[in-house]
Amino acid sequence: EDQVTQSPEALRLQEGESSSLNCSYTVSGLRGLFWYRQDPGKGPEFLFTLYSAGEEKEKERLKATLTKKESFLHITAPKPEDSATYLCAVDNAGNMLTFGGGTRLMVKP
Amino acid sequence: NAGVMQNPRHLVRRRGQEARLRCSPVKGHSHVYWYRQLPEEGLKFMVYLQKENIIDESGMPKERFSAEFPKEGPSILRIQQVVRGDSAAYFCASSPRDVGSPLHFGNGTRLTVT
Repeated sequence: EDQVTQSPEALRLQEGESSSLNCSYTVSGLRGLFWYRQDPGKGPEFLFTLYSAGEEKEKERLKATLTKKESFLHITAPKPEDSATYLCAVDNAGNMLTFGGGTRLMVKP
Repeated sequence: NAGVMQNPRHLVRRRGQEARLRCSPVKGHSHVYWYRQLPEEGLKFMVYLQKENIIDESGMPKERFSAEFPKEGPSILRIQQVVRGDSAAYFCASSPRDVGSPLHFGNGTRLTVT
């Protein structure tokens, strides 16, 4: 059975304090690893897809990396508007994603 | 370009009533997925549909829950005889194909069973 574990569950940062979120996964055949951002009362918003170990993707202050067992979402010099829950999910069959529990990020000014 | 539209945004039902949740996918997307997010839990896959076909319903409870995606009109998730444990946020997502393209999520329907 596919499993996705995210850590930490919650993370408080000061504005400008860089950090990383972890996503560990166990899947029989990885077709893709996805990162989403979810704001309160909203649906998940797509950030990145990673397909193979060694791959990296960047968007503004976010950078996602992938190994054979885990993915990291690095946040460089975060701003208060980066506060959200970040979700990791794996796909091993036709987009029926298995999600982790999420990391709730709070960035204080 | 309209994204995934879900309605209603909030739905209150008494125990034993029926709940109908509607989802209109992104224009041109033929694959629809329903996920459920229970309080303090992660998103869980329920069912995957294409037009007029259920492709995979392995995550959907066998009783009281059903889903459809007709040739015309929105996808519908139907919950009969709701119980308090059905209270959750239900998200619909769509994609243009089944492999390799990210899911686009709607903002969900928050069902409260009293």
